[in-house]
Amino acid sequence: RKEVEQDPGPFNVPEGATVAFNCTYSNSASQSFFWYRQDCRKEPKLLMSVYSSGNEDGRFTAQLNRASQYISLLIRDSKLSDSATYLCVVNRRERAGGSYIPTFGRGTSLIVHP
Amino acid sequence: DAGITQSPRHKVTETGTPVTLRCHQTENHRYMYWYRQDPGHGLRLIHYSYGVKDTDKGEVSDGYSVSRSKTEDFLLTLESATSSQTSVYFCAISSTLGQGAIVQETQYFGPGTRLLVL
Repeated sequence: RKEVEQDPGPFNVPEGATVAFNCTYSNSASQSFFWYRQDCRKEPKLLMSVYSSGNEDGRFTAQLNRASQYISLLIRDSKLSDSATYLCVVNRRERAGGSYIPTFGRGTSLIVHP
Repeated sequence: DAGITQSPRHKVTETGTPVTLRCHQTENHRYMYWYRQDPGHGLRLIHYSYGVKDTDKGEVSDGYSVSRSKTEDFLLTLESATSSQTSVYFCAISSTLGQGAIVQETQYFGPGTRLLVL
């Protein structure tokens, strides 16, 4: 079983729709969680952190459920410019005081059409 | 912008030749990483560094070596390139995010190097 799993999609939605992505992780020692966005032929860019209390940034809401070991991303009022691949990232420390080692999901593709 | 550059940005080489990719950062970050990204596999960690001359292996380190003689530069070497190493290679640094009770480390990526091994 892959350590971080995402539905690859694509999710094909009209402008204005609400869309949600989930990501599951297998290592209960994971410590921090993020969503990244990656446009075609570009580098991944940090979209937002994910906290147990949930966090919101404009149209984007991220949530962490440690008990069930999944994180989610909700996008409201989708725009054409939201079309991209969304990567789930889970960090853990290799050892006390050591570097965080991130594990990336394979990404979920979102296509927003007019 | 985390001040990360990669060179070259594109390279075509032949099987069996050595290849070195360079990652350069300008903000004195301690941690640096090399990833490869392939369709169906996503981003996979090759090697990482936690300081000058301190490196460790990642998930897919076979066939790759790294060196970090200065804080700002992290080099990835393919000693004898193979067609299976055709990929997009990303360098990343780790930086702290947030403040107060909630401080996290997260990564910022360079623009990538597209490598084709014929």
